[in-house]
Amino acid sequence: GENVEQHPSTLSVQEGDSAVIKCTYSDSASNYFPWYKQELGKGPQLIIDIRSNVGEKKDQRIAVTLNKTAKHFSLHITETQPEDSAVYFCAASRGTYKYIFGTGTRLKVLA
Amino acid sequence: NAGVTQTPKFQVLKTGQSMTLQCAQDMNHEYMSWYRQDPGMGLRLIHYSVGAGITDQGEVPNGYNVSRSTTEDFPLRLLSAAPSQTSVYFCASSYGVGGQEQYFGPGTRLTVT
Repeated sequence: GENVEQHPSTLSVQEGDSAVIKCTYSDSASNYFPWYKQELGKGPQLIIDIRSNVGEKKDQRIAVTLNKTAKHFSLHITETQPEDSAVYFCAASRGTYKYIFGTGTRLKVLA
Repeated sequence: NAGVTQTPKFQVLKTGQSMTLQCAQDMNHEYMSWYRQDPGMGLRLIHYSVGAGITDQGEVPNGYNVSRSTTEDFPLRLLSAAPSQTSVYFCASSYGVGGQEQYFGPGTRLTVT
């Protein structure tokens, strides 16, 4: 069946370093790839998304890259700060109601 | 705007009890959905609605009912709670179906004993 694999499950970085989280999807018809940040006790919040007609998108310290051939997409956070500590989820969608979510990455930014 | 609100925040049920999780949004979104979040499994879609009066099943619908009588409200009913329904439940809404930002509520943590 359709699935999204997300790695790593936990990631610790020093403040100021970069963090990279990777996802691989199985459904080649997927065309929308959002990334969500979930802080403790809160619901997920969209931080960046990318569509299949774009290879890279950047928003300040956050960027997402997409490789459609390999069915990979990645979240890059530069100059990490303590407030970046959270759980991050990737997802893939065909542009319908159905989103397949990854299993999450717990990011810890060490001061 | 309050965004997406959910009540209650925490709930403990005994096996066989029923209850309704409430969800409301004030953004005039047509699309609303319910997810459950379990450790190591990401978010899984339970039911969704593309507008008032229209609902459909998601990935894991068994044991849950929904209705959508207004654009704003989308309650989730547990008919006869089971320990397997212990989870964190999130309601979400968006302007449209697919390829749109989903706005999530703060969640309801449900424990069934």
